[in-house]
Amino acid sequence: GENVEQHPSTLSVQEGDSAVIKCTYSDSASNYFPWYKQELGKRPQLIIDIRSNVGEKKDQRIAVTLNKTAKHFSLHITETQPEDSAVYFCAASRRTGFQKLVFGTGTRLLVSP
Amino acid sequence: EAQVTQNPRYLITVTGKKLTVTCSQNMNHEYMSWYRQDPGLGLRQIYYSMNVEVTDKGDVPEGYKVSRKEKRNFPLILESPSPNQTSLYFCASSSALTDTQYFGPGTRLTVL
Repeated sequence: GENVEQHPSTLSVQEGDSAVIKCTYSDSASNYFPWYKQELGKRPQLIIDIRSNVGEKKDQRIAVTLNKTAKHFSLHITETQPEDSAVYFCAASRRTGFQKLVFGTGTRLLVSP
Repeated sequence: EAQVTQNPRYLITVTGKKLTVTCSQNMNHEYMSWYRQDPGLGLRQIYYSMNVEVTDKGDVPEGYKVSRKEKRNFPLILESPSPNQTSLYFCASSSALTDTQYFGPGTRLTVL
């Protein structure tokens, strides 16, 4: 089955810096890669996703890149702000029938003012 | 308001006492899942359902049961809870037409 590895487990940056979180997956048939943000005590919420037919997707300060050959994808946050502090999860799934998401273990991002 | 709800939000119980965590969604979603979240392990899928009366095991199904008698509800049943089932549980739903999973607020379960 699918296995998703996520690094780093913790990431501390200064406000205004960029942050990058990387994930690798094992199932070459996976073709949907979402990223979820979980604030302290809250539920995970989708912030951006990418499908295998594109290599990069941007939404304001966040972007995701996908390298299908190497089987890895990354989340990039630019101009970080304290409110970006949260746990971020990557996930992967095959978009055939039911979407069975396999999650990474999470990255705790701390943005210091 | 479109949402996924779970009850209870917090539960402390003792080993062996059967319990049910309810999950309900009002978005007419076909797909529903249960996850448990543990420190350092991320979110792991327990069971999922593709539609009414269609359920299947996820990655960590041992000790859990589910049912899907109605489209909107997907309860999680622990017949004989044990301390290793102490965790934060999330229900999620998604449409067959899109990929986005919507999570419930979570249920923090402690089994003594």
